[in-house]
Amino acid sequence: DAKTTQPNSMESNEEEPVHLPCNHSTISGTDYIHWYRQLPSQGPEYVIHGLTSNVNNRMASLAIAEDRKSSTLILHRATLRDAAVYYCILRGSGNTGKLIFGQGTTLQVKP
Amino acid sequence: GAVVSQHPSRVICKSGTSVKIECRSLDFQATTMFWYRQFPKQSLMLMATSNEGSKATYEQGVEKDKFLINHASLTLSTLTVTSAHPEDSSFYICSARSGVQPQHFGDGTRLSIL
Repeated sequence: DAKTTQPNSMESNEEEPVHLPCNHSTISGTDYIHWYRQLPSQGPEYVIHGLTSNVNNRMASLAIAEDRKSSTLILHRATLRDAAVYYCILRGSGNTGKLIFGQGTTLQVKP
Repeated sequence: GAVVSQHPSRVICKSGTSVKIECRSLDFQATTMFWYRQFPKQSLMLMATSNEGSKATYEQGVEKDKFLINHASLTLSTLTVTSAHPEDSSFYICSARSGVQPQHFGDGTRLSIL
């Protein structure tokens, strides 16, 4: 499984946008980019995923670089409840793709 | 959205006991289920992958006789930690997926072995 690189931690102010970067320079053509987040003492929560085009949903937006070697998760307006560990994970296509978690980015949101 | 239910949420038991954890997909049929373990201040570590009706595939270093996985139906998988010891104390998290859809996770089971 291709590896991703994320900053260990980031800080944001409440109600401001947050851009969480992820580098995946060894991504293959069939790897999907998945983002999950984990709050303390809970299981991970699916946030968003994409392949080539930018994606939007009610939780966030995913901006994917043209060469697909990096991506950015965008939280448009951070709230205190967005404080979590955010994981950027590559998953192969098909039924056999596994999610292998790295260390993720711990996001702190300041009031 | 997709819901995965995991039970129990917390278990405290004596060393040598076997503990069973259940994982259910409530509103979709899970063709594939996954079991993870997470130690304090660490990331999730994949233990095994199971497809309905098939034997589980274990990751390297995970003892299949220690961690028994059963995926008997499209909505239920169980993990049994056999003869648990204090070093098996951890946060166990299951995950389920239907085909190529995103995986969804349960809320985890905190296992404490005394």
